[in-house]
This record gives sequence, structure tokens and C-alpha cells, in this order.
Amino acid sequence: QTVVTQEPSFSVSPGGTVTLTCGLSSGSVSTLYYPSWYQQTPGQAPRALIYNTDTRSSGVPDRFSGSILGKKAALTITGAQAADECDYYCVLYLGSGLSVFGGGTKLTVL
Amino acid sequence: QVQLQESGPGLVKPSETLSLTCAVSDYSISSGYYWGWIRQPPGKGLEWIGSIYASGGTHYNPSLKSRVTISKDTTKNQFSLKLSSVTAADTAVYYCARRGGSYWYFDFWGRGTLVTVSS
Repeated sequence: QTVVTQEPSFSVSPGGTVTLTCGLSSGSVSTLYYPSWYQQTPGQAPRALIYNTDTRSSGVPDRFSGSILGKKAALTITGAQAADECDYYCVLYLGSGLSVFGGGTKLTVL
Repeated sequence: QVQLQESGPGLVKPSETLSLTCAVSDYSISSGYYWGWIRQPPGKGLEWIGSIYASGGTHYNPSLKSRVTISKDTTKNQFSLKLSSVTAADTAVYYCARRGGSYWYFDFWGRGTLVTVSS
């Protein structure tokens, strides 16, 4: 069974830069997995931030960027704000119509 | 702007079948895209359940495949989820969402509905 790994938690200072990663239990993440990233605030549905590795969804500020770093997909937030404190999930496409979510990263801004 | 709205019972008894419907507005589900379900147990992460394509083809999470059926009703522009033999572990907020077939990401989501499995 394919497991998608994310840091359970991360902390960043206001105004700072943080990079969250999304990996595979076995193997490397590439653009062929079409990595996407979602932001979820408490009590709300997730919102797509990044798709196709590095494309920002409509209305997403350019403080958010996606990339492949080494063997993982990455979400970088620059100029972190208090409003960025929430959960972040990545999704990988495994082929044959199958998608899998990572376990999520709880980001703290302090 | 595509809108999705989940509906269905908020309480289901163990061993019974959970049934939810997602009504779609401002886009015809027969025009394209994949239409699917994602769930989130209280305090936990998201899990993809499965999707149905505009043409009717389905894809399911292998870990749930034996219990899941996703279908659609194009006349009502809605699609449905059935999850059989539920247990307390199936208690979750259930979201419906649209997934693109070019970049395989979930671009529009419903607000979610909590389903509790309890006797």
C-alpha cells in the first residue's frame, strides 16, 4: 500500500519562510504524480492552493509556491502570516484513477 | 462557480449502509470531470474514497473498494455514495468534490456533512 508522508507539524515565525514536504513511503515523487496542495482551516472544507506541482490555483497569493525538492514535492510559504496557521495536505495521483492524501501538516505561526 | 452540496442522514447504525448525495450546481456532471468523495474522521486527516467519471466509469480507494459504490443521476445533476457494513471507524465528515482529469486535483468542494455511526 502506498503511503504519502508529510511532517505532522511545523513551526514558522511571522514573516518567515517554511517548506513543507510530501514524500512516498517507497520511491521518489516526480511531476508524474501531479502533486497538489490543500489548505484547511478548522471547520472548513479544504481549499486547493497548488496543482500540477507548481501551478497556483485562482486567487492564491504568490507567497505560496510548489516545487519538487529532491525526492519530494514541496510547498513553500514565504512571508508567513498568522492566517497561514492551519493544516496543509498534499495529494498524489498514483495512476489508474487513484488519488492518495498525505497525513497532513499542522503549521503553527509563532 | 461550481457548487456542490452534500446531503444525507447524519446518523447511521453499525452494520448498515451509509448513503449520501451530492447535488451539483452551475456545471453539468455529464459534461466532464471526475466527481468524488473524500472523508475526514474527527481530528484526523483526509482520505480519498473514490470518484465517478462523467461517462460513468468509477475508481475506488483499494482499502474501501469492497464496501463502496458511487453512482450518478444526470437527470438530477447529482452523484451518490453508498458505504456498506459501516462501523464506528466510518464516522467522519464526508466531502464531495470535483477532480480534474488533466491535473488530477480537487478544485471544487462541498462544505461537508458529518456522519456518525452509532447505535
